[in-house]
Amino acid sequence: DGGITQSPKYLFRKEGQNVTLSCEQNLNHDAMYWYRQDPGQGLRLIYYSQIVNDFQKGDIAEGYSVSREKKESFPLTVTSAQKNPTAFYLCASRGLTSGSTDTQYFGPGTRLTVL
Amino acid sequence: GENVGLHLPTLSVQEGDNSIINCAYSNSASDYFIWYKQESGKGPQFIIDIRSNMDKRQGQRVTVLLNKTVKHLSLQIAATQPGDSAVYFCAENYGGSQGNLIFGKGTKLSVKP
Repeated sequence: DGGITQSPKYLFRKEGQNVTLSCEQNLNHDAMYWYRQDPGQGLRLIYYSQIVNDFQKGDIAEGYSVSREKKESFPLTVTSAQKNPTAFYLCASRGLTSGSTDTQYFGPGTRLTVL
Repeated sequence: GENVGLHLPTLSVQEGDNSIINCAYSNSASDYFIWYKQESGKGPQFIIDIRSNMDKRQGQRVTVLLNKTVKHLSLQIAATQPGDSAVYFCAENYGGSQGNLIFGKGTKLSVKP
């Protein structure tokens, strides 16, 4: 998991509520990402941010919102508009591995369940 | 734990044997590839990467092979151990400098003691 933390590990939400998932990194990475993982599927990109105060929609941004006020933090809000929010949510940040190529490193994930 | 292994291809090997996990990628322009390991209920863990100007790269007990002609990537694990049991998936970099990745669905590796 490196220097990326996500909280909480488990989160329960009632229908109609907004919830915010936390993602913090101390790796000094510029880029951060949010993914959703469902059983039997690959990771799907929700939002990403290349730099502070800037972010772009991914493939499944509807019903989600983000902010990037600090380099270390990239919180994700799951709004009541997201019709099927129950999933495993993964945050990642991108930085250098060996050589000059950079890659994405993941946090431990947050399991969101709608009651 | 998480149900990330449901409906995934499964590879079952005996402890001590070598494992080969395959991945077909989608974009011939992708220039960078990564293998991740994901244990139940945890985030994916970086294993090894390879750039498109290479055919092979070795790490500790792992080797990645890249065949650009048929857009195929494989991960070889030598002397597989019970701790290697997990879901393994590949990712390709299609986003250039943005570093956006396309992820495969994964293969579940089960190691029998």
